Parts: sequence; structure tokens; C-alpha cells
Amino acid sequence: ETGVTQTPRHLVMGMTNKKSLKCEQHLGHNAMYWYKQSAKKPLELMFVYSLEERVENNSVPSRFSPECPNSSHLFLHLHTLQPEDSALYLCASSQAAGPYGYTFGSGTRLTVV
Amino acid sequence: QKEVEQDPGPLSVPEGAIVSLNCTYSNSAFQYFMWYRQYSRKGPELLMYTYSSGNKEDGRFTAQVDKSSKYISLFIRDSQPSDSATYLCAMSAYDYKLSFGAGTTVTVRA
Repeated sequence: ETGVTQTPRHLVMGMTNKKSLKCEQHLGHNAMYWYKQSAKKPLELMFVYSLEERVENNSVPSRFSPECPNSSHLFLHLHTLQPEDSALYLCASSQAAGPYGYTFGSGTRLTVV
Repeated sequence: QKEVEQDPGPLSVPEGAIVSLNCTYSNSAFQYFMWYRQYSRKGPELLMYTYSSGNKEDGRFTAQVDKSSKYISLFIRDSQPSDSATYLCAMSAYDYKLSFGAGTTVTVRA
């Protein structure tokens, strides 16, 4: 498999649930990102990992917890979310943490009920 | 004021028409400019990127950057139904912190 793969594609969770989103890249990239995409709004950068080290936490609430166990895998752990957290969560990777060369996954469509 | 402004559309054009998309921005430090295309139920994919001012052409696509006016454009010539997608502009001063526009939804009618 090539590119950036995200699972699950769709997720419905209650506000008291705990769930995790998974991202895997097969491109040999060294940087990985989590973005949030809400309807009619610009993509919002949430977290950045470079060489498995978190280099950016963009004022994201603690109910979102990222994990990067190695350069190929990225997780987003979710707990006690709010309905306004419903959105498309996109994972991306790039060779280095720079402005170019992003490859995005297809995203996880999250609905919080 | 938003850092990047992009008209959300929607924009509907007949096949073969020229599609014109644009973004304005407020941060004069931006030097890297990109256009992404996002099909329904897919992630964004990089279409074009330019550094600083000027034009860049790739097949039917032309990207223009006018830093003096803080204005960037994307033109699609001879548009096809397969060009129907949401187009996102993105820009950065020097690093991974991309500022995105909200996207313009384009439909090319056969």
C-alpha cells in the first residue's frame, strides 16, 4: 500500500467515549501532521511531529491527545469530545517539516453525538 | 480580518471554460504559495506551488502571485468535468505552518 492511509474512514462517538484515529504513511517521510477541516472553514493545524518528536501543539484542547510511536504511524486519541469537534480529521506527511511536499490522507469523518 | 480570504463559491462553469480562482492575504511575510485540489471524500492534493512573486504554468494550470497586492490566482484552461472539486489556497512564511483559505467549490458542467 502506498501514500497516507487513515482509519477509520467514518466514526460516530458519544461525548463520553474514548476512541483513536490512526494514520500510517508508506512514503518514508519524517514529518507528520494532524489537521481539522470543518465545513466552510480553513484547515486548522493541530499537531506536528518531526522525527517522532512533537514540534507543534496549536492550542488544541487536551481532549485531543496525539501519539507518534515511529515515523510511519500517527495516532489521535479522543476522549470526552464535544459536538463542535465533529469534523473531517486529516493526517498528512512530508519529507521534512517545511511548507512543501505534503501528502494528505483521505481523512476520518468524525461525528460526536 | 482573516489571514487568508477565499471566496467559497460555488462556481459553476461549462466544459471548456476558463476557471479563475483567487485568494487575498494579509501577512506580508508569506513567501510560499500553494494550490490544493480536494475531491469529495478525499484529502487535499498539491496542484501547484510557487515561491515569491511571478507566474508558473503546468499544463492547463497557471498560478500567479502578486505580492505587492497580496493576491494569488489559479487559472484552469479548457476545464473538464474531472476538474470539479474544491480548490484550496495555502501559504507559508518559511516553515510548515500553512495558512489555508476556506476553499472554492468548482463544478464544470458537461
